[in-house]
This record gives sequence, C-alpha cells and structure tokens, in this order.
Amino acid sequence: RKEVEQDPGPFNVPEGATVAFNCTYSNSASQSFFWYRQDCRKEPKLLMSVYSSGNEDGRFTAQLNRASQYISLLIRDSKLSDSATYLCVVRSRGGGNKLTFGTGTQLKVEL
Amino acid sequence: SAVISQKPSRDICQRGTSLTIQCQVDSQVTMMFWYRQQPGQSLTLIATANQGSEATYESGFVIDKFPISRPNLTFSTLTVSNMSPEDSSIYLCSVPLAGLTDTQYFGPGTRLTVL
Repeated sequence: RKEVEQDPGPFNVPEGATVAFNCTYSNSASQSFFWYRQDCRKEPKLLMSVYSSGNEDGRFTAQLNRASQYISLLIRDSKLSDSATYLCVVRSRGGGNKLTFGTGTQLKVEL
Repeated sequence: SAVISQKPSRDICQRGTSLTIQCQVDSQVTMMFWYRQQPGQSLTLIATANQGSEATYESGFVIDKFPISRPNLTFSTLTVSNMSPEDSSIYLCSVPLAGLTDTQYFGPGTRLTVL
C-alpha cells in the first residue's frame, strides 16, 4: 500500500463548479499535511497547509480527519486557472523534514 | 519565499555518462533536499544534503549513483552517475520554507533525458 494515495483523475469540471479531492495516508504517526499544486512542466508549489480544525483560503478549503487518516481539498467556483495537478503531501513525526508525496490528482476546468 | 535556481534546466545525455546538477538558493539554509520525479509519477526524495556532513540517502538511492556536494549554506550539487534511460526524470532541489520549517519550497527542476 502506498503511503499517500490519491485518485489520479482527471477530474474534468465546468468553470464555476465545485470539486473535491480526497487523499488517504497510511502512517498514523504523520504529523503535518499539505496540498501542493503542480502545473504542467513546472515545480510543485505549496497551496495550503492542512490543520485538524480545517482551514480555508479563499475558494479553497482543506480538511483533515486524523481518525480516518484522510485529507480533503474543496475548490469552489472553479476557474480555468485552477487546472493543474494537486499533490497531497504528508510529513511524518520523526521524519525530519522528509515529505511523502501522493501521485497527484489532475484537474481540468473547462469552459 | 526563497529564490532557487537550478542548472541546467534540461539536458539530453548519452547512456553511461554523468551529469551534475547545480542548485543555488538566495539565502542560507541548513538543509537542502534532492527529489526525483519520473514521468507520470510523483516526487521521491533522493537525499538530504546537510552542510558540513555527508548527505543522508533514502532507501533505494546510493551515494555511488547520486553523489551530492554541499560546500556552503546556499549551494548544492547532485550528480547522476553512469546514466541509463531509467534515470530520465525531472530532478528538483528544495529548501524549507521560511517560517514553515515543516514544508518545502522547490526549485524549477532539471529535466533529464538519457538516450
């Protein structure tokens, strides 16, 4: 079983739609959680950290469920510019700064 | 956020040769990380480069294949040795994000194709 699992997609959604991505992680000692965005042929960039209480940044909402070892990302009012691959990233306790990446979920927002 | 540059941005190399990738950061950082992203895959950590000590390699990666230098707090190199087509990948360096030491900021990557 992979340490971090994501549905690879692609998710094809119309502009303005709401879309949700899910991610599960296998290491219960995982300590920190993030969503990164990776555009085609570009490096990953931090989108947002994920906290147990849930957090929101504009149209983006991230949730963490430690009991189920599950992370989600909700994008409201999708824009064409949201088209990218979204990477779920986990850091485990005692792992130093080692990050484990999911394979990513591809989102395509269409007119 | 840190400014990270990598050289070369891309290269096409022959089997059996070696390529050294450079990573330069505009601020001093204790740790630098080297990742590989193979086609259609996610990022995999190769090693952590610490200034003043040997790099720490992840399972499946060895120093003979991926020697790393870290001569100062702003610079590191990764060499891909005795290359084969399986080494074709994007290689990225990263550093901890200022104020968010539990996550990282990535360089633009080096796209390597081995023929």
